Amino acid sequence: DAKTTQPPSMDCAEGRAANLPCNHSTISGNEYVYWYRQIHSQGPQYIIHGLKNNETNEMASLIITEDRKSSTLILPHATLRDTAVYYCIVGYSGGGADGLTFGKGTHLIIQP
Amino acid sequence: DAGVTQSPTHLIKTRGQQVTLRCSPKSGHDTVSWYQQALGQGPQFIFQYYEEEERQRGNFPDRFSGHQFPNYSSELNVNALLLGDSALYLCASSLLVVDLEAFFGQGTRLTVV
Repeated sequence: DAKTTQPPSMDCAEGRAANLPCNHSTISGNEYVYWYRQIHSQGPQYIIHGLKNNETNEMASLIITEDRKSSTLILPHATLRDTAVYYCIVGYSGGGADGLTFGKGTHLIIQP
Repeated sequence: DAGVTQSPTHLIKTRGQQVTLRCSPKSGHDTVSWYQQALGQGPQFIFQYYEEEERQRGNFPDRFSGHQFPNYSSELNVNALLLGDSALYLCASSLLVVDLEAFFGQGTRLTVV
């Protein structure tokens, strides 16, 4: 069973920041938070991950609350190509996990 | 640098037949994982291969088996196909030490009729 909760869908205007929330209240101390996205008819794409500090890369920023029970993925300037299903996943890295546990994700629709 | 490549892209099989799907990992990666994605659902973990051994396995029956070769490429075999095996089969490659930071292929769409 997925250990995360995400809204099923969200809309965002093109050019605005898209903020995607995720609840993971049962996360363990050594579990990371991973974000992937899947554009229609393609394989999932890794976006970013973090443990407890906020992280930023060329695609997005990840904000993790101090108690680590929730996080937010931020796409700073959303484009139409960011329309996709976004998955928030928690897990142990380094071969200790039973793969990535995908839930239903959030279908983000970027509106022109 | 080629990413993860899977073949074939599409496949139609008859119930009861056997199928083999193939995956070449991203250059430098040593770990291959396979996922099944039914229509409208998130991918489900089947198993993971490292050093030619199955390391982890999800909740899939023994009809699903795999292999990893010395060059790190991998095969997924499904025997006695059922209609419910129709899905997108995804291969993901990574380094074992950061195995959840994975690169996925475009998948093989299997249709069982």
